[in-house]
Amino acid sequence: DAKTTQPTSMDCAEGRAANLPCNHSTISGNEYVYWYRQIHSQGPQYIIHGLKNNETNEMASLIITEDRKSSTLILPHATLRDTAVYYCIVRARGGATNKLIFGTGTLLAVQP
Amino acid sequence: GAGVSQSPSNKVTEKGKDVELRCDPISGHTALYWYRQSLGQGLEFLIYFQGNSAPDKSGLPSDRFSAERTGGSVSTLTIQRTQQEDSAVYLCASSSDRGQSQETQYFGPGTRLLVL
Repeated sequence: DAKTTQPTSMDCAEGRAANLPCNHSTISGNEYVYWYRQIHSQGPQYIIHGLKNNETNEMASLIITEDRKSSTLILPHATLRDTAVYYCIVRARGGATNKLIFGTGTLLAVQP
Repeated sequence: GAGVSQSPSNKVTEKGKDVELRCDPISGHTALYWYRQSLGQGLEFLIYFQGNSAPDKSGLPSDRFSAERTGGSVSTLTIQRTQQEDSAVYLCASSSDRGQSQETQYFGPGTRLLVL
């Protein structure tokens, strides 16, 4: 699975959009971009995933560049409850083992 | 429906004792995963079960660790002769093999293990 690079931490004002970047320059054609987050003392929570098209759901939007070497997770109106570590993970689907390889993620601190 | 549940939520044990951690996956999910998260560390894959296939044990750190999944549902992770470095949060996840949620992993709250 391709390696990802994320900033260690970011701040965001409550009510503003949080834009979390992820670099995955060695991504392969069959690899998806997944985002999970982990709120303190909880298990990771799935947010969104995509292959090459931009995706949106009730939680967030995922913008993938045309060359697929980077992506941005957008939380449109961040709240204090969005404070968490956000993990960007790149992996193929349908493999023999569907394990997730978590990096260090980005600690997003939403400020009041 | 109900999410992934794990028990106990917290476990304190003495070095050298055996412990068993339990995971109840989401009903109907065929895949089950165990991860662990040590203090200040990232999540580390341990083992993966998929249906009736042989489990992928490639992440187990030593032969003191084992896991089983009975009846394709509940799973138990066993750590024998616990060591202090086994102290961590042990997380279980499950996923479906069909539909829009295919391969999206849903995590339980974890079991916090402290080995004294």
